Amino acid sequence: GAVVSQHPSRVICKSGTSVKIECRSLDFQATTMFWYRQFPKQSLMLMATSNEGSKATYEQGVEKDKFLINHASLTLSTLTVTSAHPEDSSFYICSASTGGHNEQYFGPGTRLTVT
Amino acid sequence: AQTVTQSQPEMSVQEAETVTLSCTYDTSESNYYLFWYKQPPSRQMILVIRQEAYKQQNATENRFSVNFQKAAKSFSLKISDSQLGDTAMYFCAFMKTSGSRLTFGEGTQLTVNP
Repeated sequence: GAVVSQHPSRVICKSGTSVKIECRSLDFQATTMFWYRQFPKQSLMLMATSNEGSKATYEQGVEKDKFLINHASLTLSTLTVTSAHPEDSSFYICSASTGGHNEQYFGPGTRLTVT
Repeated sequence: AQTVTQSQPEMSVQEAETVTLSCTYDTSESNYYLFWYKQPPSRQMILVIRQEAYKQQNATENRFSVNFQKAAKSFSLKISDSQLGDTAMYFCAFMKTSGSRLTFGEGTQLTVNP
């Protein structure tokens, strides 16, 4: 149990376009979802925390207008990178928790390449 | 704010031997949760072991065990009988309360040599 999926696993887009990444909890209801960014050989950096039905809370330095997060249901959160630029190229990972539990379940990640 | 420090960027061990990865953290909380995650080349994050700060007994999961020293704010991971499949990046992580954010250390790249 406790499976989280991400789609797509890899995406290449042109500079200036927008790309959407989906994060789904397949067999449980996720009251909270987290979005991380990871550069090669570095740690995971939290970008934002989203709770179902409310606005996401962004970490300091993360542009909320550039990284749009929507958590419309208890099983789906989306991250949209708007007007992507090459410096947005990275590995994006989501995780989900059921609230009141101390474990986060991680998706397999999405590799974004902006050309 | 909480911080997590892993002072060993890279480590290597021979197959079947034992290795210990270090982690220290800083917090003013009295109760919290600590984790070790493994990230193999596939980059899927895998939970290795967790420890609740109010529990004095060190957590163990098969070949993996921790040495939790609350007063010293230290949380090391011991891997016994290392296997080639243990080759991965290992992250130490802190969680203040259930369901809250994880704060990760910088990671330790472990290589198990045949």
